Amino acid sequence: AQSVSQHNHHVILSEAASLELGCNYSYGGTVNLFWYVQYPGQHLQLLLKYFSGDPLVKGIKGFEAEFIKSKFSFNLRKPSVQWSDTAEYFCAVMKKAAGNKLTFGGGTRVLVKP
Amino acid sequence: DAGVTQSPTHLIKTRGQQVTLRCSPKSGHDTVSWYQQALGQGPQFIFQYYEEEERQRGNFPDRFSGHQFPNYSSELNVNALLLGDSALYLCASSLGVGGSTSGSMQYFGPGTRLTVT
Repeated sequence: AQSVSQHNHHVILSEAASLELGCNYSYGGTVNLFWYVQYPGQHLQLLLKYFSGDPLVKGIKGFEAEFIKSKFSFNLRKPSVQWSDTAEYFCAVMKKAAGNKLTFGGGTRVLVKP
Repeated sequence: DAGVTQSPTHLIKTRGQQVTLRCSPKSGHDTVSWYQQALGQGPQFIFQYYEEEERQRGNFPDRFSGHQFPNYSSELNVNALLLGDSALYLCASSLGVGGSTSGSMQYFGPGTRLTVT
């Protein structure tokens, strides 16, 4: 079965530190890839997505992610985090051949200390 | 432009009872997917409705059922509630194209927090 793995369950950073969250998936076919964010008390919001083309994608709030097909990875990065980036981050995969069902990773809780 | 709305916001039920959750999709969307997010976990796909039919289903028992109405809104029904059904239930809407939902973006609602005691 297809799975999505997020390597870190919890990350604690200070403001201005760089952030990188890992995501690997197990499906070998063509996929669409997503990072969603869930701020405390708010609903899931899309940070960025990869459908095709340039494997380095830029999203909202200064986030970017790189798709490395050979490594089945889609890691999320931000050069300098802010306290407001405190949230839970979810990687998700959509198999192109199977409708638009999303398979999510377990999430990474990020705490940014002011 | 109204986003995805869900009702109720919170719900407390007793084991063995039945519950119905409701979702109205984003304006212009015709496809509704339901996800269960247990505490500390990522959302898990329950099922998807398009053209008033269940098109895909995840690994959930038959106690979980749904419906889509002609106005594209949807209901999720859970029978014989178990303690383990306590979770945040998320609805996501998207636009099907040419009879297929493949590759289309999903937009999530705020969820319904179900607590089973």
